[in-house]
Amino acid sequence: GQQVMQIPQYQHVQEGEDFTTYCNSSTTLSNIQWYKQRPGGHPVFLIQLVKSGEVKKQKRLTFQFGEAKKNSSLHITATQTTDVGTYFCAGPREDSTLTFGKGTMLLVSP
Amino acid sequence: KAGVTQTPRYLIKTRGQQVTLSCSPISGHRSVSWYQQTPGQGLQFLFEYFSETQRNKGNFPGRFSGRQFSNSRSEMNVSTLELGDSALYLCASSFDRANTEAFFGQGTRLTVV
Repeated sequence: GQQVMQIPQYQHVQEGEDFTTYCNSSTTLSNIQWYKQRPGGHPVFLIQLVKSGEVKKQKRLTFQFGEAKKNSSLHITATQTTDVGTYFCAGPREDSTLTFGKGTMLLVSP
Repeated sequence: KAGVTQTPRYLIKTRGQQVTLSCSPISGHRSVSWYQQTPGQGLQFLFEYFSETQRNKGNFPGRFSGRQFSNSRSEMNVSTLELGDSALYLCASSFDRANTEAFFGQGTRLTVV
């Protein structure tokens, strides 16, 4: 069945450094969604990408959807301590459910 | 508008017992999905309900069940609890399809002892 893989599983950066997490699907996706879960919290929707090669920005966050619509990335420029959390990508399945990657946990040291 | 509400927030149960968790979706949302989150496995899909019908089911044993009421509120039940059922159970509501933007509740932290 469809699988969504995320790397790295974990990353520890110093405040001000950049961070990137990558998401790869075993099948072509109609869209890709990104969520953020703060420690002790619940996943919160960040963005959805639909078009091949699409790039969207939210302040310091840049989201990309691959040309083949099988991979995506989230890049954070100049991380801040408020960026701490786990970032999940999710792809829709044919049965209308969502498959989540296992997430990338980001730790930012001041 | 009010977000997704899950109750209770925390539960401690003994092996062999059963538990019922509740989820009230965002007003107007008809799709409710349940996920189990554990440190090693991430977010695992349990089932999705739409208009009081189970539309999709994940790969979990029959001890896990759920239902949805006419007001879209949903419950999930786990019978004969096992230690491995300890997890954060998250409910997500979507307008009509579970693979669109999902709004998560704060979850129910279940501990089985």
